Amino acid sequence: GENVEQHPSTLSVQEGDSAVIKCTYSDSASNYFPWYKQELGKRPQLIIDIRSNVGEKKDQRIAVTLNKTAKHFSLHITETQPEDSAVYFCAAMRSSSGDKLTFGTGTRLAVRP
Amino acid sequence: ETGVTQTPRHLVMGMTNKKSLKCEQHLGHNAMYWYKQSAKKPLELMFVYSLEERVENNSVPSRFSPECPNSSHLFLHLHTLQPEDSALYLCASSQDLGPYEQYFGPGTRLTVT
Repeated sequence: GENVEQHPSTLSVQEGDSAVIKCTYSDSASNYFPWYKQELGKRPQLIIDIRSNVGEKKDQRIAVTLNKTAKHFSLHITETQPEDSAVYFCAAMRSSSGDKLTFGTGTRLAVRP
Repeated sequence: ETGVTQTPRHLVMGMTNKKSLKCEQHLGHNAMYWYKQSAKKPLELMFVYSLEERVENNSVPSRFSPECPNSSHLFLHLHTLQPEDSALYLCASSQDLGPYEQYFGPGTRLTVT
């Protein structure tokens, strides 16, 4: 089955700096990669996703890059703000079979004001 | 509250008790999921239902028994649980199986004493 590794497990940045979270996956047939954000005491919510037919996707201060050859994808947050503080989860899915999301272990991001 | 709701939000039960968790989605989605979230572990998929049929049972112990009476409701029946079953249990729904955003409920914080 799919295995997703996520690094780092914790990340602390100064407000205004950039944050990068990296994930690797094992199943070369995986083709859908979402990122979820979970604020303290709240439910996970999708913030951005990417499919394997593109290499990069941006949404305001958030971007995700995908390297299919190396089987890794990354979340980039620019101009971080205190409200970006949360746990971020990456996930991977082979949408053609199984339809199951495999999640990484999460990254706790702290943005220092 | 709209979207995906879960009750109860908190539950303390003894190992010999029987209890049920309830999930309801108001989004008209066809797929529903149960996840277990433990500290420092990835989100673990437990069960997947599509149009009220179970399509995934992820090697979950039989002390957890799901029920999906219709596409809007999902239950997780619990009996003779172990202390290591203490966790946050999250319900989610999506438009269909596959690469669609999953909408999570607020979760039930379960403590087994």
